[in-house]
Amino acid sequence: DAMVIQNPRYQVTQFGKPVTLSCSQTLNHNVMYWYQQKSSQAPKLLFHYYDKDFNNEADTPDNFQSRRPNTSFCFLDIRSPGLGDAAMYLCATSRDRDRGKFFGPGTRLTVL
Amino acid sequence: AQSVTQLGSHVSVSEGALVLLRCNYSSSVPPYLFWYVQYPNQGLQLLLKYTSAATLVKGINGFEAEFKKSETSFHLTKPSAHMSDAAEYFCAVSDHSGNTPLVFGKGTRLSVIA
Repeated sequence: DAMVIQNPRYQVTQFGKPVTLSCSQTLNHNVMYWYQQKSSQAPKLLFHYYDKDFNNEADTPDNFQSRRPNTSFCFLDIRSPGLGDAAMYLCATSRDRDRGKFFGPGTRLTVL
Repeated sequence: AQSVTQLGSHVSVSEGALVLLRCNYSSSVPPYLFWYVQYPNQGLQLLLKYTSAATLVKGINGFEAEFKKSETSFHLTKPSAHMSDAAEYFCAVSDHSGNTPLVFGKGTRLSVIA
């Protein structure tokens, strides 16, 4: 089945220790998104790739970076995680202007 | 700018009762509207979407929503609640251009009582 896969599902890191979250998709969608969702809140868009073009939201902290080496994979790098970065991180994909996004199951990040 | 307001952070219904989750939107351009469901520790699943075709949209799991421009509403309904419907529901809006991201409401947690 075509899908969006996120690894790992649960990630524990230490304060200030860099961490990378992974997203892959078999849908061949050209747009990939990263959302941050804190407890009991709505998902908040961090950035997205439209093909190879990177689009950063204005209020996304510099601590968050992303890489998309090919159509199928997209990574979220948190350079120096703080306690406030503990959240669920959701990857999503869509095909061009089709606004129906497909979400992955998420990675829950804990910062100790 | 676009926004959505979900009335009620928590809705509780009895099994078999009508489910009504409210969503009002604000948009200066014709909107696309969406309802997503999120089960605990899982990602978001698209229930249904309105993209300027039929105003009554049918989705998965027996849910439907009606776009009412005069009321700027897109409320989600289901005639008979099932225990498995207990989850968090998010309404979201975007425009037609594809250049703006989805804007989510704050979510409504639905509880179903046996």
